[in-house]
Amino acid sequence: DTAVSQTPKYLVTQMGNDKSIKCEQNLGHDTMYWYKQDSKKFLKIMFSYNNKELIINETVPNRFSPKSPDKAHLNLHINSLELGDSAVYFCASSQDDRATYGYTFGSGTRLTVV
Amino acid sequence: GNSVTQMEGPVTLSEEAFLTINCTYTATGYPSLFWYVQYPGEGLQLLLKATKADDKGSNKGFEATYRKETTSFHLEKGSVQVSDSAVYFCALRSGATNKLIFGTGTLLAVQP
Repeated sequence: DTAVSQTPKYLVTQMGNDKSIKCEQNLGHDTMYWYKQDSKKFLKIMFSYNNKELIINETVPNRFSPKSPDKAHLNLHINSLELGDSAVYFCASSQDDRATYGYTFGSGTRLTVV
Repeated sequence: GNSVTQMEGPVTLSEEAFLTINCTYTATGYPSLFWYVQYPGEGLQLLLKATKADDKGSNKGFEATYRKETTSFHLEKGSVQVSDSAVYFCALRSGATNKLIFGTGTLLAVQP
């Protein structure tokens, strides 16, 4: 059983489309995150939810909207996709919002906008 | 603000060579420090961690010691293998926030 699973693994889409990425964790963790990794491998946090409540919202275009229906799921919806959105998006979770023991990451979703 | 600085890569070594990847940090308070590894096409995996000064994290032959006096958390391994080829990320979690802040990653390539 995969601890943090993301779908899809690959996503190729045209500019202007709307797409969603889903994430689920079966670790019983309270807190979930979305990170974006660019082509140079730089990782930047986008959002964090703790028990379905948004607690981190970094400077991200409002075309990106996270949704957490329950504490085991955190989805990312992207409207009006742009070329610059091409990246690998990682979902992660931590035991609590202190993240004392670090995160558990999913395997990533490679988004390519053409 | 909080930040992590890692040595630029790529680092290219022969099998059985000694590895050091430097990591220094800037943080308020007493951060927790982490090393993550990313194998090609995969997500990040926690390699080791240290939560207070002078703690040594270790796993799979890798070690790193939390040095508060030099604000460093250098990753070392005595004898690398081809299978260690990956990107290594140093990260910190400041006590004031729950987010991990990552360094830019260091690509390690080990040749047989």
